[in-house]
Amino acid sequence: DQQVKQNSPSLSVQEGRISILNCDYTNSMFDYFLWYKKYPAEGPTFLISISSIKDKNEDGRFTVFLNKSAKHLSLHIVPSQPGDSAVYFCAASFNAGGTSYGKLTFGQGTILTVHP
Amino acid sequence: GAGVSQSPSNKVTEKGKDVELRCDPISGHTALYWYRQSLGQGLEFLIYFQGNSAPDKSGLPSDRFSAERTGGSVSTLTIQRTQQEDSAVYLCASSPIFSGTSGSKQYFGPGTRLTVT
Repeated sequence: DQQVKQNSPSLSVQEGRISILNCDYTNSMFDYFLWYKKYPAEGPTFLISISSIKDKNEDGRFTVFLNKSAKHLSLHIVPSQPGDSAVYFCAASFNAGGTSYGKLTFGQGTILTVHP
Repeated sequence: GAGVSQSPSNKVTEKGKDVELRCDPISGHTALYWYRQSLGQGLEFLIYFQGNSAPDKSGLPSDRFSAERTGGSVSTLTIQRTQQEDSAVYLCASSPIFSGTSGSKQYFGPGTRLTVT
């Protein structure tokens, strides 16, 4: 049962344009969402997160949008740069009776390629 | 300060042998997680430690997998009688005391690539 899904295995964009990466989830208990970026042979690095009480969070070129009714989130990168080329994972976690332990459920990842 | 470190970075082993993977979390981080990423897949949760105890082992795929954490710091993931399907990248992550209101930003190590031949 894939609770977090990234349906696009890859995305290719031109430098300077917008990159939009999408993620869907099925578990309505999830209340915290994160995006991680991963380069080859490295561990994932945290990019940006959003709590379910918000619908948007922005950090520089990166913005995450959350649509709770659709159980959908997206990451926008504007403008895209060649150095953004990496695998992007969305992840989700939830509180369980106030004693959550932060276990992350990940999507399969989307390979972003930004062409100069 | 140093990030999360893992050793070895690569491990090739023969089917049936035991392997030990090591994780050194960020100093002071009380929570430690093991995940694995099989080829073409997302990260799959294995086990969670809070201090030295493991309140959630639900992701361990079989009883051949075990893990321990000592001194609230270093953790070892042991796979006994390795099988080819165990081949994957094993990732360790740590985080400070979890705050339910702030979510769980986890810091990942570079991973150990395990190949079972």
